[in-house]
Amino acid sequence: ETGVTQSPTHLIKTRGQQVTLRCSSQSGHNTVSWYQQALGQGPQFIFQYYREEENGRGNFPPRFSGLQFPNYSSELNVNALELDDSALYLCASSLGGSEAGTQYFGPGTRLLVL
Amino acid sequence: GIQVEQSPPDLILQEGANSTLRCNFSDSVNNLQWFHQNPWGQLINLFYIPSGTKQNGRLSATTVATERYSLLYISSSQTTDSGVYFCAVGVTGNQFYFGTGTSLTVIP
Repeated sequence: ETGVTQSPTHLIKTRGQQVTLRCSSQSGHNTVSWYQQALGQGPQFIFQYYREEENGRGNFPPRFSGLQFPNYSSELNVNALELDDSALYLCASSLGGSEAGTQYFGPGTRLLVL
Repeated sequence: GIQVEQSPPDLILQEGANSTLRCNFSDSVNNLQWFHQNPWGQLINLFYIPSGTKQNGRLSATTVATERYSLLYISSSQTTDSGVYFCAVGVTGNQFYFGTGTSLTVIP
């Protein structure tokens, strides 16, 4: 159903390192949102990109940054990794920016910070 | 931000039983979705339902926007229905607020 892909599936990093996660949106979708899901909790909104521009940001520090490319794929970059950054990172694609309707999620990237 | 509460937090059912999951939210929304998260973490879209009632096979959902709640009904549950069910709401289109989920276990 989704057509949203993410890479890598799993990643292990050490504290202080930097990481880049990637997301390919579903065909025809121009909006990508990123979420962080800690163990046992619901996903929390990090930010959204619409037509290559940031279109909203949740309560995350600036060391969480992103990009969206002309083909609407997206990257999430996290600098100076902390132990609490260990989580499942999910991206969702949708159509329409602030008028977005249904969001479709990718399978996620599991990040472990040691 | 909007507060989203889901109940019950945990549910154990015998295969074949019916269940109702509830989602309460603290403000008016223009976007509401129900998701099923499988054991591998994949969030599967069940319903986009900011208002009204929808049905898809054994699942149905109702959102009463004026009273700020949504219900997900699962009938004749199967073991494959096990997992965590999330309600997510949005005011604008650019941010979803998720509840803490209902963990469902269906036993044979």
